[in-house]
Amino acid sequence: AQSVTQPDIHITVSEGASLELRCNYSYGATPYLFWYVQSPGQGLQLLLKYFSGDTLVQGIKGFEAEFKRSQSSFNLRKPSVHWSDAAEYFCAVGARGGADGLTFGKGTHLIIQP
Amino acid sequence: DAGVIQSPRHEVTEMGQEVTLRCKPISGHNSLFWYRQTMMRGLELLIYFNNNVPIDDSGMPEDRFSAKMPNASFSTLKIQPSEPRDSAVYFCASSPDRASYNEQFFGPGTRLTVL
Repeated sequence: AQSVTQPDIHITVSEGASLELRCNYSYGATPYLFWYVQSPGQGLQLLLKYFSGDTLVQGIKGFEAEFKRSQSSFNLRKPSVHWSDAAEYFCAVGARGGADGLTFGKGTHLIIQP
Repeated sequence: DAGVIQSPRHEVTEMGQEVTLRCKPISGHNSLFWYRQTMMRGLELLIYFNNNVPIDDSGMPEDRFSAKMPNASFSTLKIQPSEPRDSAVYFCASSPDRASYNEQFFGPGTRLTVL
């Protein structure tokens, strides 16, 4: 069975500082990996996805993520955070690119300090 | 373009009552997913449809839960009878088709409170 672990429940970062959110997955085959962001009271918005090819993927809002097969990780990064980045971030893994539904991590709550 | 539409946005009901949540997927999308979000269990896939046919309902927690998709533009998730432990945010998502590499587009969710 596939699973996703996001070890940090909360992370606090100062505005303008760099950010890295951790994600580890367990999956028996080639994983299809996603990062979603959820603002309060809103649905989930896709930030980026990895299916194959270049292990460093670029997403929206200046985010990027790096797939490391040897570490079973797909960490999300941003060089300089903005107050508007405060939200809940979810890592997800899906078979067949999510065509059969996604398995989500518990999420990381990002707090931005002024 | 309208995204995935869910109604109601908030529902408060009493234990034992029937609850029906509604979803309108993005026009032209062939796959529809129902997820539940709770503090304890996070986001869980309940059921998904492809071309209006249920493909996998193994995530549906109990027989009290049922889902239908009578046509390509409408789906319902029904809980009968409802219980306090059903309190959660229920999300509907749609995807263009069941091929690989497709993003799921999420609705704003329905926050259900069962007293």
